[in-house]
Amino acid sequence: DAKTTQPNSMESNEEEPVHLPCNHSTISGTDYIHWYRQLPSQGPEYVIHGLTSNVNNRMASLAIAEDRKSSTLILHRATLRDAAVYYCILLLYDNNNDMRFGAGTRLTVKP
Amino acid sequence: GAGVSQTPSNKVTEKGKYVELRCDPISGHTALYWYRQSLGQGPEFLIYFQGTGAADDSGLPNDRFFAVRPEGSVSTLKIQRTERGDSAVYLCASSLSVNTGELFFGEGSRLTVL
Repeated sequence: DAKTTQPNSMESNEEEPVHLPCNHSTISGTDYIHWYRQLPSQGPEYVIHGLTSNVNNRMASLAIAEDRKSSTLILHRATLRDAAVYYCILLLYDNNNDMRFGAGTRLTVKP
Repeated sequence: GAGVSQTPSNKVTEKGKYVELRCDPISGHTALYWYRQSLGQGPEFLIYFQGTGAADDSGLPNDRFFAVRPEGSVSTLKIQRTERGDSAVYLCASSLSVNTGELFFGEGSRLTVL
């Protein structure tokens, strides 16, 4: 299974950008990079995903390294509601499509 | 709109008892996943259904755990002879198809085995 490595925790100040890194050096050519986040006492929620090109949506941006061995989730202006555990996951789209989470990065946002 | 619904939200049982946890996915979603999450850890994959069939049950920890999805919609996770180590939040998620990768999670069922 392709694996990801993330820092255990990060801190940010409110209203500032946050860059959450993820290393996936064993990624294969057909693995998609997915990010989910989990707010306290809730189930995980989808944030963004990509394959090779950088991606933007209303929640965040995903920057993917040219060699695809790492990626960065970017929150452009952190709010207190962004405090959560962020998970970076590799997903191979095939008929055996299971999504496996690691420990993630716990983001603390300071006012 | 209705999201993924899980019942019960909380379940307290005694060691050795049988437990069923129910998941109602979003209507039309063909893929359904079960995870369990212990305090301070990420969700641990248990089983994944595509339609009525279990496409991958490699995450089920032992034969006390079983899950069904007889009509391709509602799923039930069944745990026999519960043990204290089974205490966790059990999360269910569904997705539109196997190839979208966007999972929608319920809020989970918290199981406590005394």
